[in-house]
Amino acid sequence: AQSVTQPDIHITVSEGASLELRCNYSYGATPYLFWYVQSPGQGLQLLLKYFSGDTLVQGIKGFEAEFKRSQSSFNLRKPSVHWSDAAEYFCAVVFSGGYQKVTFGTGTKLQVIP
Amino acid sequence: EAGVTQFPSHSVIEKGQTVTLRCDPISGHDNLYWYRRVMGKEIKFLLHFVKESKQDESGMPNNRFLAERTGGTYSTLKVQPAELEDSGVYFCASSSLGSEQYFGPGTRLTVT
Repeated sequence: AQSVTQPDIHITVSEGASLELRCNYSYGATPYLFWYVQSPGQGLQLLLKYFSGDTLVQGIKGFEAEFKRSQSSFNLRKPSVHWSDAAEYFCAVVFSGGYQKVTFGTGTKLQVIP
Repeated sequence: EAGVTQFPSHSVIEKGQTVTLRCDPISGHDNLYWYRRVMGKEIKFLLHFVKESKQDESGMPNNRFLAERTGGTYSTLKVQPAELEDSGVYFCASSSLGSEQYFGPGTRLTVT
């Protein structure tokens, strides 16, 4: 069955520390992969996306993600977290190819402590 | 360029009442999607319009939900009658052909 898993519901990091949010998917081929962020009171903002090509993808706000086909993973990373990064992060997948319905993971809430 | 807008931002209604949510997509986007997030669960797809036609409505939970997109511009999602389990955040997204989806800020629906 097609699915997206974000194993960490809640993560707390210190400001300035590095961050990695995990995402795994289950699918027989390579899907389109996305990371979205939702800050308090805001909508969903696209951080980055992967369709093909270079497996290390750069996004906005200093985020990057790496696609690993062998692990069916698309983990999000940031070398140094800022207090303003506190938000909920969603891994998302389009399984069918093209821009059809998006399947979301359950989200990871990031707390940043001083 | 204006993004996807949704109205209202928050609605509180009683069980059994009717509520209509509105979504205005980015101008020129033929594709319009509705999603819903219920009580801390994952965001789930409801349906997809291409212009005024329903392309995929496999995620609509039941016949109390009615989505329309007259003229292929804005869309409405009506819930009638509302039940407690309909509470959640309703997101709208739009896209042009071959592009990613841009999401609106969502409408928080509370059914009491």
